[in-house]
Amino acid sequence: DAGVIQSPRHEVTEMGQEVTLRCKPISGHNSLFWYRQTMMRGLELLIYFNNNVPIDDSGMPEDRFSAKMPNASFSTLKIQPSEPRDSAVYFCASSLLLTSDRLNNEQFFGPGTRLTVL
Amino acid sequence: GESVGLHLPTLSVQEGDNSIINCAYSNSASDYFIWYKQESGKGPQFIIDIRSNMDKRQGQRVTVLLNKTVKHLSLQIAATQPGDSAVYFCAEIPPSGGSYIPTFGRGTSLIVHP
Repeated sequence: DAGVIQSPRHEVTEMGQEVTLRCKPISGHNSLFWYRQTMMRGLELLIYFNNNVPIDDSGMPEDRFSAKMPNASFSTLKIQPSEPRDSAVYFCASSLLLTSDRLNNEQFFGPGTRLTVL
Repeated sequence: GESVGLHLPTLSVQEGDNSIINCAYSNSASDYFIWYKQESGKGPQFIIDIRSNMDKRQGQRVTVLLNKTVKHLSLQIAATQPGDSAVYFCAEIPPSGGSYIPTFGRGTSLIVHP
């Protein structure tokens, strides 16, 4: 398995533009997570899905951010419109199904997308 | 305005020494903890986890100790190798009605000198 695949690896855009980040989880994993990492705030969970259904999006910073998972092998994180403070590395991770009884399913992280908003 | 980068705490050790990385967590109700390793340019990688009903757990060359009294977690790496050089950070997961909401520490940079 190639692991979690993210694209693009780097994105440079101008303020106000729409940005779409993509993720392909590991085949057979039923939970998918989007994280954001910055030097100022560290690593933050934005949203996670179980079986393609969003379970908790309380980490999504504001309405400019949206995430979808149309099927088990693909997810997107969209920022519209983008702002300079959105500049960060965005990670996608996947795991076997995460439940309150099975929190210890190891998450496998992708390589991340480094987003720069000018 | 331009953001200022923060410097992570750094631990420098010689190859072959044992390393101890510490983490203070915030929520006394947290019942699950994970240590991650993040190499430059890569995503975090799971190292070892521990539940709150344990105070020690061992893996291959790594040991995690949990002190719930003082809300402290440590990661011990035996016979540290240059390949262990990375940023290490802990995550705490509090009980949240079945939802998974982790809080991550800021991380410690481990530098291993050959």
